[in-house]
Amino acid sequence: DQQVKQNSPSLSVQEGRISILNCDYTNSMFDYFLWYKKYPAEGPTFLISISSIKDKNEDGRFTVFLNKSAKHLSLHIVPSQPGDSAVYFCAASAQTGANNLFFGTGTRLTVIP
Amino acid sequence: DSGVTQTPKHLITATGQRVTLRCSPRSGDLSVYWYQQSLDQGLQFLIQYYNGEERAKGNILERFSAQQFPDLHSELNLSSLELGDSALYFCASSSGTGEKLFFGSGTQLSVL
Repeated sequence: DQQVKQNSPSLSVQEGRISILNCDYTNSMFDYFLWYKKYPAEGPTFLISISSIKDKNEDGRFTVFLNKSAKHLSLHIVPSQPGDSAVYFCAASAQTGANNLFFGTGTRLTVIP
Repeated sequence: DSGVTQTPKHLITATGQRVTLRCSPRSGDLSVYWYQQSLDQGLQFLIQYYNGEERAKGNILERFSAQQFPDLHSELNLSSLELGDSALYFCASSSGTGEKLFFGSGTQLSVL
């Protein structure tokens, strides 16, 4: 049972435009959400996180939005750059902390120069 | 470089065999996590150790076991291997209380 879902396996965006990656979850106990980025032949690297007490968190070009009622979060990248091309994983946990993170299946973002 | 080291990077073996994957966490990190990523799947949590003790268990098969040693490195043992065990196995570490996991580059296991 996939508790964290990323329904778009891939996304292509022109350089300079906005990239929006979406994630849905089913477990209402999740209270902490993270985005990880993964390049080929490397492990995932932490990108940005948000706790359930917030609905938005921003870090430079990256913003994560959380809609608890819809059990939906999204990652916005503005402006998108070719170096952002990677696989992005959404993850969630039922307590603040890294115990037992549940990951989505990932979205492959391609930023076209 | 995340500071988490996994060896070997690639492993090819046959069904029925047993393999050991090794992980050295970031300096100072007490928690080690093991994840499995099969084709087109997300990262599936297998098991977590904290300072030598098992802390949490996920979807880990009985044929799989892990341990964390006094020097904090960890090993994941996979036995009676099946074709379906072919996957990318990631190790991650954290300070134990932090939210971020730092991942190694993974071990690609191919069972033929």
